[in-house]
Amino acid sequence: GAVVSQHPSRVICKSGTSVKIECRSLDFQATTMFWYRQFPKQSLMLMATSNEGSKATYEQGVEKDKFLINHASLTLSTLTVTSAHPEDSSFYICSASVGLAGDNEQFFGPGTRLTVL
Amino acid sequence: AQTVTQSQPEMSVQEAETVTLSCTYDTSESDYYLFWYKQPPSRQMILVIRQEAYKQQNATENRFSVNFQKAAKSFSLKISDSQLGDAAMYFCAYRSPYRLSGSEKLVFGKGTKLTVNP
Repeated sequence: GAVVSQHPSRVICKSGTSVKIECRSLDFQATTMFWYRQFPKQSLMLMATSNEGSKATYEQGVEKDKFLINHASLTLSTLTVTSAHPEDSSFYICSASVGLAGDNEQFFGPGTRLTVL
Repeated sequence: AQTVTQSQPEMSVQEAETVTLSCTYDTSESDYYLFWYKQPPSRQMILVIRQEAYKQQNATENRFSVNFQKAAKSFSLKISDSQLGDAAMYFCAYRSPYRLSGSEKLVFGKGTKLTVNP
């Protein structure tokens, strides 16, 4: 159990276009979802935390208008990279925690590799 | 702010041998959680082991065990009887209790790449 999926697994787009990445909890209801960014050979950096039905909380330095997060249901969160540029190329990983807000385990998706040409 | 340091960018071990990965962290909190995550070439993050700071006993999960030294703020991972499938990036992570931070945010170290030689 506790499977998280991401779609697409890989996307290549032209500079200036917007890209949407989906994160789904397949066998549980995720009250909280997290979006991370991982540069090559580097660690995961938290971008934002989203709770179902409310606005996402962004980490310092993350542009809210650039990285739009929607958590419309307990099983789906989306990250939209608006007007993508080459510097947005990265590996994006989502995770989800189950249960009431608290000290719950996070289950990670397989990630999405974004390449902006 | 809490920080996590992994001082070994790369480590290697012979199959069936034992290897220890280092992790230190900085925090002013007395209650927190520590984790080791594995990221194989598939990039899927997998929880290896978790330690609650209030527990003195070191956590173990089969071939994986930790040496948690709270006073030294050290949290090393020992992998016994290493297997080829253990080859991966290993990340140490810290999390404050939700009741203190209001967040489930994980703070990751930079990772250690483990190579297992046959």
